[in-house]
Amino acid sequence: AQKITQTQPGMFVQEKEAVTLDCTYDTSDQSYGLFWYKQPSSGEMIFLIYQGSYDEQNATEGRYSLNFQKARKSANLVISASQLGDSAMYFCAMREGRSSNFNKFYFGSGTKLNVKP
Amino acid sequence: DSGVTQTPKHLITATGQRVTLRCSPRSGDLSVYWYQQSLDQGLQFLIQYYNGEERAKGNILERFSAQQFPDLHSELNLSSLELGDSALYFCASSGRVQGNNEQFFGPGTRLTVL
Repeated sequence: AQKITQTQPGMFVQEKEAVTLDCTYDTSDQSYGLFWYKQPSSGEMIFLIYQGSYDEQNATEGRYSLNFQKARKSANLVISASQLGDSAMYFCAMREGRSSNFNKFYFGSGTKLNVKP
Repeated sequence: DSGVTQTPKHLITATGQRVTLRCSPRSGDLSVYWYQQSLDQGLQFLIQYYNGEERAKGNILERFSAQQFPDLHSELNLSSLELGDSALYFCASSGRVQGNNEQFFGPGTRLTVL
């Protein structure tokens, strides 16, 4: 079974609108971490946001927020007020276990976001 | 700039050859991870080292091996290369601060096998 599933290969959003990128995960661990990364066309991987499995509040970082629904095992990324520079590939990732020093990371297949002017 | 460096940036070689990719983690980070990203695909976790010891293994082929040295830099060795090994290879580091331990990625090494 896939550990991380991103069901939207590609998405379009109008500039200045909000967009939600879906991510579901599969783990039997009680302690885990969820991450979102952005990969522009230049290829680098940029960390966006993190949510711990025990965090009660949804994580937010500027225009990025993570809609964490533990019972549904979903960790959707919400980008508010989209900008042209948000056009990129977005990857959802999971770390099983408490600390990334001792566990694997799993990445989804990514969602390509295109922001239209 | 993430602080993680990878060399070389590009590598073109022939099938059957062996190459070594190098990674220097951020200052103070003890963990190094290697990933393979084939064209238009997600990242496949290969292997993780923590302070010189192998900690986790993913979908790493037997033709591939890695190590982390006392100065914490790491090398990924790819041998008997095949066309399908052409990919972007990322190194990431983490571990400076306990907590969420997000990984910081290097710029990647683009390997082309002809």
